[in-house]
Amino acid sequence: QVQLVQSGAEVKKPGASVRISCKTSGYTFTKYTVHWVRQAPGQRLEWMGWINPDNGDTKYSQNFQGRVTITRDTSATTAYMELSSLRSEDTAVFYCARDLTGRTVSAFDYWGQGTRVTVSS
Amino acid sequence: EIVLTQSPGSILSLSPGERATLSCRASQSISSNYLAWYQQKPGQAPRLLIYGVSSRATGIPDRFSGSGSGTDFTLTISRLEPEDFAVYYCQQYGRSPLTFGGGTKVEIK
Repeated sequence: QVQLVQSGAEVKKPGASVRISCKTSGYTFTKYTVHWVRQAPGQRLEWMGWINPDNGDTKYSQNFQGRVTITRDTSATTAYMELSSLRSEDTAVFYCARDLTGRTVSAFDYWGQGTRVTVSS
Repeated sequence: EIVLTQSPGSILSLSPGERATLSCRASQSISSNYLAWYQQKPGQAPRLLIYGVSSRATGIPDRFSGSGSGTDFTLTISRLEPEDFAVYYCQQYGRSPLTFGGGTKVEIK
């Protein structure tokens, strides 16, 4: 069965960076775009960007441009999201999610369990 | 950026067995009907219910249906089951950045 398993909770200081992993299984990793989504307390879901695991192409939301980097390791069938220059507003749960239709942009059919990041001095 | 506004804005109080109608309005027309709905329960990741405005995702019961076009979209739950009380989000994926609505919480009356 399709699974996306994320790394554990993180506590970071303002200005630091965080890197979250998303280990996938149960499908061909290179055939489906992986997205990252932020959910801050009381806020709506916010799309951060995606990666095409086949060729490494990425696209980022302007809201995170310059601070977010999404990468992948095809041999490990894992995607990564690094967010830099952390601020208190980045205290949130971060999700990875698989694209429904493959290497395009569509709805998200499978999600990781979420990784809670707390930014605090 | 396409802004999605959901109504009711925050909470919809209904009883099991009742019909729920949730709305999502877009600030501009959504191309190719690239509109999805998700359900989220506390402490869980969102779950895809509907994509392409009206297509049910795998395993989603037929009491969930989606409709609409252009800028106005609706998620209908024909008869609420106890497990349906949750927060519902719409999402557009027709134009970057992909955006979500603010959510509607369906609570037990």
